[in-house]
Amino acid sequence: GAGVSQSPSNKVTEKGKDVELRCDPISGHTALYWYRQRLGQGLEFLIYFQGNSAPDKSGLPSDRFSAERTGESVSTLTIQRTQQEDSAVYLCASSLSGRAGNEQFFGPGTRLTVL
Amino acid sequence: RKEVEQDPGPFNVPEGATVAFNCTYSNSASQSFFWYRQDCRKEPKLLMSVYSSGNEDGRFTAQLNRASQYISLLIRDSKLSDSATYLCVPVSGGYNKLIFGAGTRLAVHP
Repeated sequence: GAGVSQSPSNKVTEKGKDVELRCDPISGHTALYWYRQRLGQGLEFLIYFQGNSAPDKSGLPSDRFSAERTGESVSTLTIQRTQQEDSAVYLCASSLSGRAGNEQFFGPGTRLTVL
Repeated sequence: RKEVEQDPGPFNVPEGATVAFNCTYSNSASQSFFWYRQDCRKEPKLLMSVYSSGNEDGRFTAQLNRASQYISLLIRDSKLSDSATYLCVPVSGGYNKLIFGAGTRLAVHP
């Protein structure tokens, strides 16, 4: 079956512009997660959705970052007034439920470059 | 102290070698653990889950020492295709929140 998909795969933007990243989770997965991975570093947790609510958004680095999810499907991560330090790969994952121990399946990521 | 600490490597080993990675974690409440592998410029993929003292899957063995708060991954008979970064991932919190270490890089050469 289809895995997690993300779009765009690459995004180059100028400093100060807004960007929107999209994630389509595996059908039927109620839990959805966003992570950020800077070059040569580990994944940083950004936000967790259970259905369309976000019980944990503690990883969002600033108020320039926001995310929403429609029902139990697509999610968008928006970064306003992008800065060069926002350059990273943004990964989305989904799992069948938010129960601890459920495997998270990752999408291929969106590589964001802020010039 | 970081939540997850791993030796970044790289571990350079010949094909057929046995290699082991250790990982220490700070949250004693972590009940579940994963080892993910991440190939260069790719997304992480689950290699193994660990819920009790350990797990074995073919050439891969994970062992958990809760008292010392470390988890290890042993790879036997290394293959070229094992070259990747291995991520130790304790599950923290009341839900499925993954805390990733920076990973250990493995390079298997002919």
